[in-house]
Amino acid sequence: AQSVTQLGSHVSVSEGALVLLRCNYSSSVPPYLFWYVQYPNQGLQLLLKYTSAATLVKGINGFEAEFKKSETSFHLTKPSAHMSDAAEYFCAVSEPNYQLIWGAGTKLIIKP
Amino acid sequence: GAGVSQTPSNKVTEKGKYVELRCDPISGHTALYWYRQSLGQGPEFLIYFQGTGAADDSGLPNDRFFAVRPEGSVSTLKIQRTERGDSAVYLCASSSNGAGAYNEQFFGPGTRLTVL
Repeated sequence: AQSVTQLGSHVSVSEGALVLLRCNYSSSVPPYLFWYVQYPNQGLQLLLKYTSAATLVKGINGFEAEFKKSETSFHLTKPSAHMSDAAEYFCAVSEPNYQLIWGAGTKLIIKP
Repeated sequence: GAGVSQTPSNKVTEKGKYVELRCDPISGHTALYWYRQSLGQGPEFLIYFQGTGAADDSGLPNDRFFAVRPEGSVSTLKIQRTERGDSAVYLCASSSNGAGAYNEQFFGPGTRLTVL
């Protein structure tokens, strides 16, 4: 069975610092991987997705993620945090033609 | 509409009552998904529609939960004999091609259900 683990329910970084949100997955077949962002009182919005093309995926708002099969990871990074990045971030995995399995989420806190 | 809409945005009900939650997907999207999100958790899959039919309802927790999509557009999630444990945010999403792990799902803002 597929599963997703997001390390750290809360991550706090200073404005301008590197953002690193961790996601590890388990899947018996090559997966599709996603990062979604949820701003307060808003719906989930797709940040980026990996669908077996390039292993380094660039998304919106300066975020990117790298698929590492050997580590079963899909960590999300951004070189320089902005106050507007404060939100909750969800990693999700799917096998082809199946529904998404979600991590528990990581709340990103930006310190001024 | 421009995005997925859900009504009501908040619903407070008493234990044992019946509730209906509505989802209006993006026009033309054939696939529609319902999820439930409890505090501190990621979304939990409930049911997926392709057109009018439920292609996968394996996530519905029990027979108190039911969903319909009679015309292949608007969907209603129905919960009978509500229990306090049903309290959560119910999310709806739609996508253009369905059955598509790699088809982007567009989410509505959710309905926050509180069962007293």
